[in-house]
Amino acid sequence: EVQLLASGGGLVPPGGSLRLSCAASGFTFSSCAVSWVRQAPGKGLEWVSGISGSGSSKYYAESVKGRSTISRDNSKNTVDLQVSSLSAEDTAVYYCAKRIGDNWGFLDYWGQGTLVTVSS
Amino acid sequence: DIQMTQSPSTLSASVGDRVTITCRASQSISRWLAWYQQKPGKAPKPLIYEASVLESGVPSRFSGSTSGTEFILTISSLQPDDFATYYCQQYNDYPLTFGGGTRVEIK
Repeated sequence: EVQLLASGGGLVPPGGSLRLSCAASGFTFSSCAVSWVRQAPGKGLEWVSGISGSGSSKYYAESVKGRSTISRDNSKNTVDLQVSSLSAEDTAVYYCAKRIGDNWGFLDYWGQGTLVTVSS
Repeated sequence: DIQMTQSPSTLSASVGDRVTITCRASQSISRWLAWYQQKPGKAPKPLIYEASVLESGVPSRFSGSTSGTEFILTISSLQPDDFATYYCQQYNDYPLTFGGGTRVEIK
């Protein structure tokens, strides 16, 4: 059974940073790209960042570019997203989701999400 | 970036109604479009990919079609479990982009 478990959310002060982690199981991890998608309270879905199966290609939304780093460890089946200079606009549930291929395909499995709240 | 324009934003319907939701891409994405269903407090659930391919386990009352850069999700006979928010998403290129969502509510 495919599982994606997102963790690392919590209350963060404005200007702070956080590291989200996505632990995967149940599929050939290194063969699948992984993305982070967030959803602000009461709002729609926003893609944030993605990484190819090998980790050689990384992508970022303009809203987090320059203050985020995505990485993966294929030996541990994990993908991390580090975000700094947080503001209230970063408050959201962050989902990790896998694509069906190395760097292609739709998001066929989603984790349960982890809530990030940026507030003093 | 590819913009996805989804309409309507809200739809009121009754059980048994035929429902259509439209998504338009700002440029060609071939057939690289997916539809997701989301219920409150839950992660999105994939319904359709490659514009018209039903994900495993999804009821056949859901269908997808396309005409150029316009994509349509149809629910042939709305069921109580279908009241939710629906999103389209293009995966032709990064950044992956979503439509604004369509909330299907009980009339």
